Amino acid sequence: KQEVTQIPAALSVPEGENLVLNCSFTDSAIYNLQWFRQDPGKGLTSLLLIQSSQREQTSGRLNASLDKSSGRSTLYIAASQPGDSATYLCAVSGNTPLVFGKGTRLSVIA
Amino acid sequence: GAVVSQHPSRVICKSGTSVKIECRSLDFQATTMFWYRQFPKKSLMLMATSNEGSKATYEQGVEKDKFLINHASLTLSTLTVTSAHPEDSSFYICSARDPSRGFDTEAFFGQGTRLTVV
Repeated sequence: KQEVTQIPAALSVPEGENLVLNCSFTDSAIYNLQWFRQDPGKGLTSLLLIQSSQREQTSGRLNASLDKSSGRSTLYIAASQPGDSATYLCAVSGNTPLVFGKGTRLSVIA
Repeated sequence: GAVVSQHPSRVICKSGTSVKIECRSLDFQATTMFWYRQFPKKSLMLMATSNEGSKATYEQGVEKDKFLINHASLTLSTLTVTSAHPEDSSFYICSARDPSRGFDTEAFFGQGTRLTVV
């Protein structure tokens, strides 16, 4: 059974810092890995999708990497801003629908 | 990108009543949609897979008679919480992929529905 773990559970950084969020999964037989952002009381916004054959994807200040063999992914956020404050979720897709981690709650302090 | 719309965004109901939540794919046809439940500060848990024109597939531990799912068209799936109890209070989110893009493409999510049973 696929299990997804995200570390840290919460993170607080000053504005302008670069930061890394971590995601690990137990079954490397995945189709893709997706990073989402969730604001309080809201739905999910897809940030980046990495196919199993890819190593990384970039969108603006966000860069996500995937090491399928070791079951790890990172989300790198450059020059963090207060507007980046949210919960970040990673999810993997394999033979089952998306399996989610519990998320990392990020606070960027102005 | 593809858009999934969920309605209502927030609902308060009395114990014992039923509540229907709608999930629509606005610019693609979704043969399969997924319903998730999220407890406070917890991850999203898959409840069931909604299949157009056939019965939904429920995850272990999810009561199918309590959480009725109907997927009558290629753009609409509904989740009905029957005889709601306060412990059903939660955040419910639906998801769908655009099948024309392939089975391993990006999943899109609705805005979520905050259900409070009083």
